[in-house]
Amino acid sequence: DAGITQSPRHKVTETGTPVTLRCHQTENHRYMYWYRQDPGHGLRLIHYSYGVKDTDKGEVSDGYSVSRSKTEDFLLTLESATSSQTSVYFCAITSRNKASTDTQYFGPGTRLTVL
Amino acid sequence: DQQVKQNSPSLSVQEGRISILNCDYTNSMFDYFLWYKKYPAEGPTFLISISSIKDKNEDGRFTVFLNKSAKHLSLHIVPSQPGDSAVYFCAASASPGGTSYGKLTFGQGTILTVHP
Repeated sequence: DAGITQSPRHKVTETGTPVTLRCHQTENHRYMYWYRQDPGHGLRLIHYSYGVKDTDKGEVSDGYSVSRSKTEDFLLTLESATSSQTSVYFCAITSRNKASTDTQYFGPGTRLTVL
Repeated sequence: DQQVKQNSPSLSVQEGRISILNCDYTNSMFDYFLWYKKYPAEGPTFLISISSIKDKNEDGRFTVFLNKSAKHLSLHIVPSQPGDSAVYFCAASASPGGTSYGKLTFGQGTILTVHP
């Protein structure tokens, strides 16, 4: 358990509305990530953060923005939601595994439906 | 361009037998590989990893093999148990620390079903 929570866990919204998903961690991890999971694609990186106010784009960043104003929170915003953004969104952090190797650990996910 | 591929969408095995899940990659810069297990409505759970300086890593019933020349890795589960039924993802990273910031590239996943 890497101490990651995501909120909300489920959300249904309409096309064109803004949506913000929150990832919260309690263990002071430096690196945080947002992925989306879609059938046939596995997980794809949207944005990531390597420190407070330090963020960068992943492979599927169009239509998404992020913010990290404090270590424990990483927010993902869909400025104007589209049906193609219907997906399951996972937050992750990097921590050491029992072999002392950096490994990503994931939160429980947020299921977003855009109608 | 899918840099990490799991070409088998599903695999079915009998309890007690070996499960072998396969993964191929194309990016020669990848030097760290991981396997995750995912149950429905949960986040992926880390299983096992391997660095490119090794060709095998074991952890209990799970063993990962890496063939760098073939750009291929596999996960062996022995013996398979019904609780192993889940979706398995392989993932790859170029330099887990450093300037890649640990970004992972995932395969599409393989659904493993273990029958009692």
